[in-house]
Amino acid sequence: EDKVVQSPLSLVVHEGDTVTLNCSYEVTNFRSLLWYKQEKKAPTFLFMLTSSGIEKKSGRLSSILDKKELSSILNITATQTGDSAIYLCAVDTGTASKLTFGTGTRLQVTL
Amino acid sequence: NAGVMQNPRHLVRRRGQEARLRCSPVKGHSHVYWYRQLPEEGLKFMVYLQKENIIDESGMPKERFSAEFPKEGPSILRIQQVVRGDSAAYFCASSQNTGTANYGYTFGSGTRLTVV
Repeated sequence: EDKVVQSPLSLVVHEGDTVTLNCSYEVTNFRSLLWYKQEKKAPTFLFMLTSSGIEKKSGRLSSILDKKELSSILNITATQTGDSAIYLCAVDTGTASKLTFGTGTRLQVTL
Repeated sequence: NAGVMQNPRHLVRRRGQEARLRCSPVKGHSHVYWYRQLPEEGLKFMVYLQKENIIDESGMPKERFSAEFPKEGPSILRIQQVVRGDSAAYFCASSQNTGTANYGYTFGSGTRLTVV
């Protein structure tokens, strides 16, 4: 069975800290890995990664994929309270394009 | 430029009633996916539909659950004879092409079903 595991499950940091969220996967067929941010409503797309070693960056967020280690990290620098959310990692296994999600990392940024 | 619209946002049903959840995809998107999120769990795939066709329903419980995406109108996820264990957030997502393309799916805001 395809599996995506995220760590830590939850994290509390102070504003301005840098955080690293982890995602590892075991799937029979890998097409891409995606990161989403979920606040109280719809998950919103952050990154899609298909190639190892190529960093994707958007403002203070960045992510990289390591296909050898079957893992990805999401970095957030200079965190702000608005970064508080659940961060979801998902793998597209290419089977009818359904995504297998991890349980998420709940990030809380305090003042 | 409306995104994926789901309604209702919140739905309360008594055990044994039927629940109907609606999803209107992004205009021009012909692929719809339904996911369920139980408390403290990740999203779990339920079903993938294209217009008038169910492509993959491998995540759908065998009984009481059905989904459709008619030629006209929204996609509907129907749960008959609801039980307390059906209480969850149900998310719909749409895409233009097969697969996540370059931007992943577009998710709706979800319907939170509570069975009392």
